[in-house]
Amino acid sequence: NAGVTQTPKFRVLKTGQSMTLLCAQDMNHEYMYWYRQDPGMGLRLIHYSVGEGTTAKGEVPDGYNVSRLKKQNFLLGLESAAPSQTSVYFCASSYSPGTSGRVEQYFGPGTRLTVT
Amino acid sequence: GQSLEQPSEVTAVEGAIVQINCTYQTSGFYGLSWYQQHDGGAPTFLSYNALDGLEETGRFSSFLSRSDSYGYLLLQELQMKDSASYFCAVRDRGAAGNKLTFGGGTRVLVKP
Repeated sequence: NAGVTQTPKFRVLKTGQSMTLLCAQDMNHEYMYWYRQDPGMGLRLIHYSVGEGTTAKGEVPDGYNVSRLKKQNFLLGLESAAPSQTSVYFCASSYSPGTSGRVEQYFGPGTRLTVT
Repeated sequence: GQSLEQPSEVTAVEGAIVQINCTYQTSGFYGLSWYQQHDGGAPTFLSYNALDGLEETGRFSSFLSRSDSYGYLLLQELQMKDSASYFCAVRDRGAAGNKLTFGGGTRVLVKP
């Protein structure tokens, strides 16, 4: 199993350009997430999905859109890139929690995005 | 909302023991998780505590006190490969979709 994969690994954009980051998972997880991580900081949730065809906003959704057309894929779009969106983007997926509420999220390797 | 506090950096020598504390504020607590992240890598799950007490997994242990809104991760017999950032994360009972809120991370530097 590949787990969670992300493409591309690196990207440089000019201000105002658009792009789509692709996340794929082969663990049949219901839930998927997009985070951003700025240098020396924790992870902040951008958007998430609780199943195919559903999406919801996280903590920092402005400037991003997402789609979950297939259970295994979760796409993150930047409509008009800004330098403030320079960051490392991580995708994650998880199964439904048991009665304990345990949530183990599996992360992809990340996409390093620079907006100039 | 939720907020978590943990120290920004800890330095220790090989073979030592390090304790990383995490205090949290949530509107409805479900459980506390810990993740490890090496430089340039992805976060990986280490442990989860839903009930008070200590959970041991090899050299790493995690503790939770729900009444004190406090937990810690204990790293024993430190090895060079333990140099990484460690994040605590909480799941709020009101959080749909298994959402986690992460702390800012503690960078652990292990010296020879």
